[in-house]
Amino acid sequence: EVHLLESGGGLVRPGGSLRLSCEASGFTFNNFGMSWVRQTPEKGLEWVSGLSGSGVTTYYADSVKGRFTISRDNSKNTLYLLMNSLRAEDTAVYYCAKAWGYSGDSPFDYWGRGSLVTVSS
Amino acid sequence: DIVLTQTPLSLSVTPGQPASISCKSSQSLLHTDGRTYLYWYLQKPGQPPKVLIYEASNRFSGAPDRFSGSGSGTDFTLTISRVEAEDVGIYYCMQCIHLPMTFGQGTRLEIK
Repeated sequence: EVHLLESGGGLVRPGGSLRLSCEASGFTFNNFGMSWVRQTPEKGLEWVSGLSGSGVTTYYADSVKGRFTISRDNSKNTLYLLMNSLRAEDTAVYYCAKAWGYSGDSPFDYWGRGSLVTVSS
Repeated sequence: DIVLTQTPLSLSVTPGQPASISCKSSQSLLHTDGRTYLYWYLQKPGQPPKVLIYEASNRFSGAPDRFSGSGSGTDFTLTISRVEAEDVGIYYCMQCIHLPMTFGQGTRLEIK
């Protein structure tokens, strides 16, 4: 059974940094791309970033490009999202999602339960 | 970015009755590989989204057979043949033919 568990969320001041982690189990991690998707009541669901099974190819939404970095450690079955220069509009529940295929721009078949990030002074 | 417009935004359905949700795309979701990159997800209260339908009309493993997807190009429909109480939640369509992947606004289904 596929299981994705996010951690690392919390309260951070504007301009600050935070790193989210997502531990995966139940599938061969390095065979699948992964993504981060965030959700707010105001804007709904927003895809943030994705990367390939090897971690070499990455993709970002324009809203986070240059501020967020997606990465993975296949030896630990873990996905990361390093978020710098955080803004109030980055406040959201962040989900990690397993891709259908190897590419980081593949759609998602399984999601974690999410981690809340709040950016506020 | 591709815009997905869902209608209605909410619906209230009597158990046993059918329901349908429309998703219209600002661009065709038919890829040159012949696949249509439109997906349907259901987010139940307090849970993450779960996939119901992939590539417009294929039911995901484990999704009840009362759910079906149809459509092509820019117009798509999710149909529930007979709504059950466990179907409450928010339904989203999503496209992944072009980055950024985008979602519809969501359709909230409640039971009468």
